[in-house]
Amino acid sequence: GEDVEQSLFLSVREGDSSVINCTYTDSSSTYLYWYKQEPGAGLQLLTYIFSNMDMKQDQRLTVLLNKKDKHLSLRIADTQTGDSAIYFCAEGLTGGGNKLTFGTGTQLKVEL
Amino acid sequence: NAGVTQTPKFQVLKTGQSMTLQCAQDMNHEYMSWYRQDPGMGLRLIHYSVGAGITDQGEVPNGYNVSRSTTEDFPLRLLSAAPSQTSVYFCASSYGPPSSGNTIYFGEGSWLTVV
Repeated sequence: GEDVEQSLFLSVREGDSSVINCTYTDSSSTYLYWYKQEPGAGLQLLTYIFSNMDMKQDQRLTVLLNKKDKHLSLRIADTQTGDSAIYFCAEGLTGGGNKLTFGTGTQLKVEL
Repeated sequence: NAGVTQTPKFQVLKTGQSMTLQCAQDMNHEYMSWYRQDPGMGLRLIHYSVGAGITDQGEVPNGYNVSRSTTEDFPLRLLSAAPSQTSVYFCASSYGPPSSGNTIYFGEGSWLTVV
């Protein structure tokens, strides 16, 4: 079945690194995504990783994928107050259709 | 290039009323979908379409209808609104399926309250 889980909250100090974790159950996922949602807004794609990769780095963002454990993480280096938002991981499944299975979202709060 | 446009942004309905959430994209995307977002539950897929004239059910389709008469438009109809349909609704589109790494573009959301 399809199930994507995240912890609900994370609080960090400005300048520290943030690590947001995600676990998923469906091994047929091909791409895994991280989306950011700011208050009152839609979802913005941050980055994605193909399922045969272990790591992807994009400026302050590092995505790590442990396919054996079905664990995905997003690391944000030098976290800023503007990074405060809800972060969703999502998996794209084979079989076509505009299907993403989203996690419950992690609310990141960055404190001064 | 407007991207994905949803209207209305806010709506209050009475139980039993019907309404249509509009969604339009100007990127010539084949794939369009509707999600609802509820606290602590992430986004759940309601209906999706892989092209004009083709629609299919997602995870939570009950109480909703869709149609795709053109590539650009994908309206979501609430047939008889219920309080359980109070939610934030997002329309999304992409050139191809997410299983192929296509970027999915989201609208800004429609906040619906059913009283």
